[in-house]
Amino acid sequence: QKEVEQNSGPLSVPEGAIASLNCTYSDRGSQSFFWYRQYSGKSPELIMSIYSNGDKEDGRFTAQLNKASQYVSLLIRDSQPSDSATYLCAVTVDSNYQLIWGAGTKLIIKP
Amino acid sequence: DADVTQTPRNRITKTGKRIMLECSQTKGHDRMYWYRQDPGLGLRLIYYSFDVKDINKGEISDGYSVSRQAQAKFSLSLESAIPNQTALYFCATSDLGFEQYFGPGTRLTVT
Repeated sequence: QKEVEQNSGPLSVPEGAIASLNCTYSDRGSQSFFWYRQYSGKSPELIMSIYSNGDKEDGRFTAQLNKASQYVSLLIRDSQPSDSATYLCAVTVDSNYQLIWGAGTKLIIKP
Repeated sequence: DADVTQTPRNRITKTGKRIMLECSQTKGHDRMYWYRQDPGLGLRLIYYSFDVKDINKGEISDGYSVSRQAQAKFSLSLESAIPNQTALYFCATSDLGFEQYFGPGTRLTVT
């Protein structure tokens, strides 16, 4: 069973601090990794994709990938109350373009 | 206008009824997906379609069927609804890459 694991949280972070979200995956063949943000009752929204080992930065967001250790993380700098949401990690499996999803980490930014 | 639309947005139906959820997209993507989301379980793939003539079962297809009427339209049917099909249903699209874009969701309640 190919799996994606995330801590369900909630993860509480003070406003202005760095929020660190982690995700581990079981399939060593996975090649593409995604972070989605989902506000309560809304649809998932793609915020970051990463395909190579290392860091990828986009504004206040940084995705980090370590294929050897099979984890991907998302850092949110200067956290804002509007960042409060559930963050979903998704990983491709084999060649049929399916995504396997983690259950998400609920992030709460405290003013 | 939204790139991916779903109708209805909310539906309450009774056990045993047939119901259809519809998805339309203007993104020009060939690939379309149906997911359901239950609290604490993340997104689970029901069916996916890579083009009009290519439809595939996902992780949890039992009790569901789909129809791809055109590149832009992908419908999900529950032939005989049961209470454990109460969930949030999302349609998503993607191009040749893996990044998926979601519709606003349909909240379905089966009583």
